[in-house]
Amino acid sequence: GENVEQHPSTLSVQEGDSAVIKCTYSDSASNYFPWYKQELGKRPQLIIDIRSNVGEKKDQRIAVTLNKTAKHFSLHITETQPEDSAVYFCAASKSNYQLIWGAGTKLIIKP
Amino acid sequence: SAVISQKPSRDICQRGTSLTIQCQVDSQVTMMFWYRQQPGQSLTLIATANQGSEATYESGFVIDKFPISRPNLTFSTLTVSNMSPEDSSIYLCSVDQLQETQYFGPGTRLLVL
Repeated sequence: GENVEQHPSTLSVQEGDSAVIKCTYSDSASNYFPWYKQELGKRPQLIIDIRSNVGEKKDQRIAVTLNKTAKHFSLHITETQPEDSAVYFCAASKSNYQLIWGAGTKLIIKP
Repeated sequence: SAVISQKPSRDICQRGTSLTIQCQVDSQVTMMFWYRQQPGQSLTLIATANQGSEATYESGFVIDKFPISRPNLTFSTLTVSNMSPEDSSIYLCSVDQLQETQYFGPGTRLLVL
């Protein structure tokens, strides 16, 4: 079955710098890749997603890139701010509505 | 996106008892899911709640332990039966409105003593 690997498990960056989180998936039939942000004690919130017919998508300081050949996708956060501190999860789906989740990345923004 | 509520938000239960968690959505949705999330861990899918038929359970989860109801397109319940301390976790429902995009309820924090 599908497997999603996420790296790193913890990422610490200086405020204002960029952060990149990477995920790889195993099933080439996967075609939908969302990213969720989960603050401590809160529910996971969708922050951006990409479908397999697109290579890149951007929303203000957040962008996601997808390389279908290599089967990996990445989350890019520019000009990081303290409120970006959270756990970020990637996931993959192949049109069956089931999401296969990565293990999560704890992002720490240092002031 | 849909507005999703869960009840209770938290509970402390004695081992051997059962707890039913409710998930209510403010609009009709096609798919509803139930997840478990241990502290510091990723999300684990328990089952897909199907309207008008039995839920579809993932490997490691069985109906006797986690019975699920979905009487209509806006409501579902998950029961955690015969609880043990290992069932202490956060239980989350999520919904999908045919876009493959899942939105989550606020979660239910369960502590079993």
